[in-house]
Amino acid sequence: GAGVSQSPSNKVTEKGKDVELRCDPISGHTALYWYRQSLGQGLEFLIYFQGNSAPDKSGLPSDRFSAERTGGSVSTLTIQRTQQEDSAVYLCASSLATLRETQYFGPGTRLLVL
Amino acid sequence: GNSVTQMEGPVTLSEEAFLTINCTYTATGYPSLFWYVQYPGEGLQLLLKATKADDKGSNKGFEATYRKETTSFHLEKGSVQVSDSAVYFCALSENAGNMLTFGGGTRLMVKP
Repeated sequence: GAGVSQSPSNKVTEKGKDVELRCDPISGHTALYWYRQSLGQGLEFLIYFQGNSAPDKSGLPSDRFSAERTGGSVSTLTIQRTQQEDSAVYLCASSLATLRETQYFGPGTRLLVL
Repeated sequence: GNSVTQMEGPVTLSEEAFLTINCTYTATGYPSLFWYVQYPGEGLQLLLKATKADDKGSNKGFEATYRKETTSFHLEKGSVQVSDSAVYFCALSENAGNMLTFGGGTRLMVKP
């Protein structure tokens, strides 16, 4: 079946602009995660959603980052007033449930802030 | 907090050599442990996992055993192939939340 999809695959933006990154999880997966992969910081957890519960935002690096998940499916990660240090690959993952379930990753969105 | 430490790369081996990539962890509870692999130009894929102490995860000739006494989850393969060249990430997740904490990744290069 279809895996996790993300769009766009690449995004180049200017410092100070806002960007939106989209994630379509695997159908039926109730948990959705965002991670960031950067050269300096490795792979970092950002935020996760489970069903209708309040999201765990503990990994968001600043208040410029936000995410929402509409209808328990598609998620959008928004970065406002982008900075050069936001340049990274943003990865989305989904799983059937939270407890010990395997997370399946999308191909990522490569963000470059000039 | 939780953390994962894995050996820095790159690790360069000849084909058919034995592979070990060390991974140790720190966790407050009883985590599940994972190895993910990222092939060139591709996304992260689960390679294997273990959910409790003494469990052995295995896939594609790779193995790792969950050692609670040494808080380790070392990845091994008896005979590597050129196609195994990739970046390998060790990771853990606790019961609550299930977000993954990753190690820094180890690049493996296998030469013919």
